[in-house]
Order: sequence, then C-alpha cells, then structure tokens
Amino acid sequence: DVQLVESGGGWVQPGGSLRLSCAASGFTFGSFEMNWVRQAPGKGLEWISYITSSGRTTAYADSLRGRFTISRDNAKNSLYLQIHTLRAEDTAVYYCARGWGGFDPWGQGTLVTVSS
Amino acid sequence: EIVLTQSPGTLSLSPGERATLSCRASQSVSSSYLAWYQQKPGQAPRLLMYSTTNRASGIPDRFSGSGSGTDFTLTISRLEPEDFAVYYCQQYESSYTFGQGTKLEIK
Repeated sequence: DVQLVESGGGWVQPGGSLRLSCAASGFTFGSFEMNWVRQAPGKGLEWISYITSSGRTTAYADSLRGRFTISRDNAKNSLYLQIHTLRAEDTAVYYCARGWGGFDPWGQGTLVTVSS
Repeated sequence: EIVLTQSPGTLSLSPGERATLSCRASQSVSSSYLAWYQQKPGQAPRLLMYSTTNRASGIPDRFSGSGSGTDFTLTISRLEPEDFAVYYCQQYESSYTFGQGTKLEIK
C-alpha cells in the first residue's frame, strides 16, 4: 500500500524551530514530486511548498517564503519541512502529499501547536 | 496569485439528491490544472478529480467535474451518506492555491 506518515509535530514556543518528517512507503519515492500542505484548526487548506523528485527544484507559497525549507532524502524515502521562527498562526495540522497535478495520497498529518 | 472562490459555503441536501458545487477562479485556469478534494472530519483530504474531468483511482462515477476558464463545477449525481463532507478545489496553473471549501451537510 502507498503510505505517507508524518512525524515531528508537537508543542513549541513562539520563535522556536521544528523539523517535520514524512516517511514514504509502497512506491518509488525518488520518482515523485512531493508537497507540504497545512490546515489551521477549523480552517481550509494552505499549500506550503513543493519539491521535485530529485530535490533540485523547490517552490514556496509567497506568504511563507523565508521561514520554511523543504528537503528530501531519497535514500531514506523521506521528506522534510524545517520551520523557523514559529508564530502562533503556524498552529496547524501539517500534511505531506505526493504529486504535482492533484495530490494523491496524503499522509494523516502531524499537529504543530505554537504557544507560550 | 490565483484566488479560488467556492460557492456555496454550505450546501444542505438529502441523500439521493444531486449536488452542484462551484469553484470560480480570479483568472483563467487551464482545465488541465484544476483538481477537487474531499475531506471528512478528522481525516486527510482525498483526491477526487484532476484535470477537471478525470476521476482519481477508486472514485465512483457519481462524481463528475466540468468547466473551463474561470468557472468549474463538481457534481455528485446522487448523494450517498458517505458523500457528506467538505470539498475543496485546487488550481495548479500557477503555483498552487485552494478554494476555501464547501461544506456538504445532510438536510
């Protein structure tokens, strides 16, 4: 089965940093583009970032550029999202999702709570 | 940035009825670059449609998509109990953006 499993979420104080991970299985990870999407409590979906299969090209939402860094390790079948200078408004469930045109599948998400 | 506006915000219908969900883009989007997702409470989104009219794997044929330019529609021909959820459109013409969602609730 194709599966994506996020980890690394939790509670963090404002100004802190966090690295989220997404472990892929059931498919040839190194052949697919990947994305991070977040969803604040009770809100809609917000695309964060994209990375090509090789990892050589990345893209970010304009409003989030600078504090978020996407990366991947194809040898470890893993995707990462480094977040710096966390703010209360970054509180959300963070999902990884496979693909370019239509994200499929999605992981179950990992909750990040930013609070003092 | 391409802004997607979904309507209505909430749609109240009964099982067996037909549902029509709208997604309007702030600028033209190629029909090749429009997708729809379904999200149930406590679950991750699930891809329903891509390239406007193509159903994702395992999606029943009561779901269909149409549209072009700035106006797109997701139609559910005959609602089943499991179809009541929140639906999002997404464009991938220019970067990625999602609509704000339409909640489909049981009347």
